[in-house]
Amino acid sequence: DIQMTQSPSSLSASVGDRVTITCQASQDISNYLNWYQQKPGKAPKLLIYDASNLETGVPSRFSGSGSGTDFTFTISSLQPEDIATYYCQQYDNPTQLTFGGGTKVEIK
Amino acid sequence: QITLKESGPTLVKPTQTLTLTCTFSGFSLSTSGVGVGWIRQPPGKALEWLALIYWDDDKRYSPSLKSRLTITKDTSKNQVVLTMTNMDPVDTATYYCAHRGRGPRITMIFDIWGQGTMVTVSS
Repeated sequence: DIQMTQSPSSLSASVGDRVTITCQASQDISNYLNWYQQKPGKAPKLLIYDASNLETGVPSRFSGSGSGTDFTFTISSLQPEDIATYYCQQYDNPTQLTFGGGTKVEIK
Repeated sequence: QITLKESGPTLVKPTQTLTLTCTFSGFSLSTSGVGVGWIRQPPGKALEWLALIYWDDDKRYSPSLKSRLTITKDTSKNQVVLTMTNMDPVDTATYYCAHRGRGPRITMIFDIWGQGTMVTVSS
């Protein structure tokens, strides 16, 4: 199975800060990596697909990069509405689709 | 506009079979490239993919749960049904269905999700 190690598990930052989350795959997954945002009590929302493509309608302060085993998700300027848990998801093997453990983002 | 909504029992007993229905609109599961997946999330925990069905009835399952899962579609009703046998308290979770609608078959990008339905397993 492909394991996805996401870090940190939680973080606290101030409004306007740059926030970075990483996701490491246990083996090469090319760019088959998506990022989702989940607000409390809500369903996940797709933000970034194929490692670096911004989903339509998603603010440009969100971005993703990486390939192979190491991936980064960035919020360039944290806003109050960005309070959520963020998940990475790999699909290199369509029968072993896996999510990371999540990163809870809070406002300091 | 694509929407999906999950329905089913909120409470099931251990060893029972869970049947969940995803009713969707705004797309057809007979359209080439389209798929619907199921993902669950235990309270306070991470997401876990369960199964996916493609427009051509190709089905994929999580290896760890494959023996307990069955996914089917009813194109005329715009519904996808997931059954999970031998339910256990550890299966307590919110169950989501989600739309997969872009790229080749390998592409597992869930771009639209239902609101989720909470299922508790308890005697």
